[in-house]
Amino acid sequence: QVPVQESGPGLVKPSETLSLTCTVSGDSLTNYYWSWLRQPPGKGLEWIGFIHFSGSTKYNPSLESRVTISVDTSKNHFTLNLNSVTAADTAVYYCARDRGGNIDLWGQGTLVTVSA
Amino acid sequence: DIQMTQSPSSLSASVGDRVTITCRASQSITNYLNWYQQKPGKAPRLLIYAASRLQGGVPSRFSGSGSDTHFTLTISGLQPEDFATYYCQQSYSALPYTFGQGTKVDIK
Repeated sequence: QVPVQESGPGLVKPSETLSLTCTVSGDSLTNYYWSWLRQPPGKGLEWIGFIHFSGSTKYNPSLESRVTISVDTSKNHFTLNLNSVTAADTAVYYCARDRGGNIDLWGQGTLVTVSA
Repeated sequence: DIQMTQSPSSLSASVGDRVTITCRASQSITNYLNWYQQKPGKAPRLLIYAASRLQGGVPSRFSGSGSDTHFTLTISGLQPEDFATYYCQQSYSALPYTFGQGTKVDIK
């Protein structure tokens, strides 16, 4: 069983909303912060934001107007919604465990392409 | 945002070499500096946290040092599995966390 696993559509149309879910296995969401990050093809890493099981969030200011991260502790998963996407949002999206800024457990990543 | 600058952007090295990668922060981050290794098609892997603390399961040939604005990652005795891209990341401020641009280590 993969400890942290992203799921969601691999193709999103421009102007629509990208939605991804991260399912956590073998651990409880309540013990840590949980982050979303992304990596455009051939480029570096960008932190999107994190959530605590209490629901408190913090987002990258560059994306804050378009991002929502939520948590469902009963299902042991958290979700990313990014609205009004453009081709610039095409990337591999990672969910990960955030131990006070040390991102120590990563999902395998999922490629999301924004294209009509 | 705190800007993180790595050097070099790439380097070629041989198995057994000692390799040093530098990361500079645009302002003091005390020791809130982490290092990651990423291989093609894979997620990053945490190597070093808090500038010098080795993550569990990471070989001891990896070491980190530095504080304030200047940090280094050293690989003492490069192994074939170490050819990868390395990123530094500051966690001093989560508004936002920021990464260096990466250093690609390939085979000479």
